Amino acid sequence: GAGVSQSPRYKVAKRGQDVALRCDPISGHVSLFWYQQALGQGPEFLTYFQNEAQLDKSGLPSDRFFAERPEGSVSTLKIQRTQQEDSAVYLCASSSPGLDYEQYFGPGTRLTVT
Amino acid sequence: AQKITQTQPGMFVQEKEAVTLDCTYDTSDPSYGLFWYKQPSSGEMIFLIYQGSYDQQNATEGRYSLNFQKARKSANLVISASQLGDSAMYFCAMREGPGTSYGKLTFGQGTILTVHP
Repeated sequence: GAGVSQSPRYKVAKRGQDVALRCDPISGHVSLFWYQQALGQGPEFLTYFQNEAQLDKSGLPSDRFFAERPEGSVSTLKIQRTQQEDSAVYLCASSSPGLDYEQYFGPGTRLTVT
Repeated sequence: AQKITQTQPGMFVQEKEAVTLDCTYDTSDPSYGLFWYKQPSSGEMIFLIYQGSYDQQNATEGRYSLNFQKARKSANLVISASQLGDSAMYFCAMREGPGTSYGKLTFGQGTILTVHP
């Protein structure tokens, strides 16, 4: 596709359930980022991949959050035992190294934990 | 300390007028990049404009220009000839480190811009 896609667009989970959020970056983009955006706030960095290598996971808020990109393209963000504070929009972005000003964002997945 | 500060929670502008959205930043890294993104109600982050710390001239992209004042650590976005479709949330963001490093962004809190007809 032409842009970054994310699925599902909306997810409602009961507290304690596990969820998996998918990101399809722009074809050929080596760098992939996950951000979390709480309501009315700016996005906050979660984790970064260069190809399949997770080079920075300093923003993951707890060990319930796990991300992978096994083949260097599609990435999945998994949240185990969801809590209400996990409710947010999860944004994925991709770019080419050295051209990071062309960081393209997907539409996001809005997660609501009830 | 906040790395990116946007002090205007909301701004109003008349259609066809110009508006300035404020952004100040804090970094000790000599190499950095500054970004502005637009986020309409649909939620997607749309890249508007980029300024590198070593760029001598202010960046411009169509109706968008970035008023970069390095000594004051400010990077204000100027939108000229506002249109109704400009109504959205606007975020200022910073990447610390050179452009060859990976582009982890730090965002401000955002400014909601409303354009009146």
